[in-house]
Amino acid sequence: DQQVKQNSPSLSVQEGRISILNCDYTNSMFDYFLWYKKYPAEGPTFLISISSIKDKNEDGRFTVFLNKSAKHLSLHIVPSQPGDSAVYFCAATNNDMRFGAGTRLTVKP
Amino acid sequence: DVKVTQSSRYLVKRTGEKVFLECVQDMDHENMFWYRQDPGLGLRLIYFSYDVKMKEKGDIPEGYSVSREKKERFSLILESASTNQTSMYLCASSPPDRKKLFFGSGTQLSVL
Repeated sequence: DQQVKQNSPSLSVQEGRISILNCDYTNSMFDYFLWYKKYPAEGPTFLISISSIKDKNEDGRFTVFLNKSAKHLSLHIVPSQPGDSAVYFCAATNNDMRFGAGTRLTVKP
Repeated sequence: DVKVTQSSRYLVKRTGEKVFLECVQDMDHENMFWYRQDPGLGLRLIYFSYDVKMKEKGDIPEGYSVSREKKERFSLILESASTNQTSMYLCASSPPDRKKLFFGSGTQLSVL
């Protein structure tokens, strides 16, 4: 039973435009949400997180939005850069961390 | 620079072999984890350990065992490797609150 879902396996955007990656979850007990970025042949690295008591968190070009009523979070990257091309995993936790299947982002020059 | 180190980047083993995957962390973290990553399935938890000699099953423990004799080291053991265990294996560690995991670079295991 996948408690965290990323329904888009891939996303392609033009350099300089906005990338929006989406994630849905089913467990209302999750209280902390994260995005990880993974390059080929490397482990995932932490990108940004948000607590369930907030609805937005910003870090430079990266913003995460949380809509608890819809059980939905999204990651916005503005402006997108070719170096952002990677697989992005959404994760949620309330003690045990659960991951989505990942979205492969390609940013074209 | 904090680190989680996995001993092998690539491994090729034969069906039925016993396989050891080793992981070492230098952050003095209590929690350590083993995940496998498969296309379309994301990261799935195999086992985790919250202290030396303590372990808990994750979502897919069948065919695997673990060992944690020292705080910094967590080993994943495939008792008798099978082709469906071909995967990317990721080790991670975290502080007690488990709010953030730190991952190693992964081991791509192929079982032929």
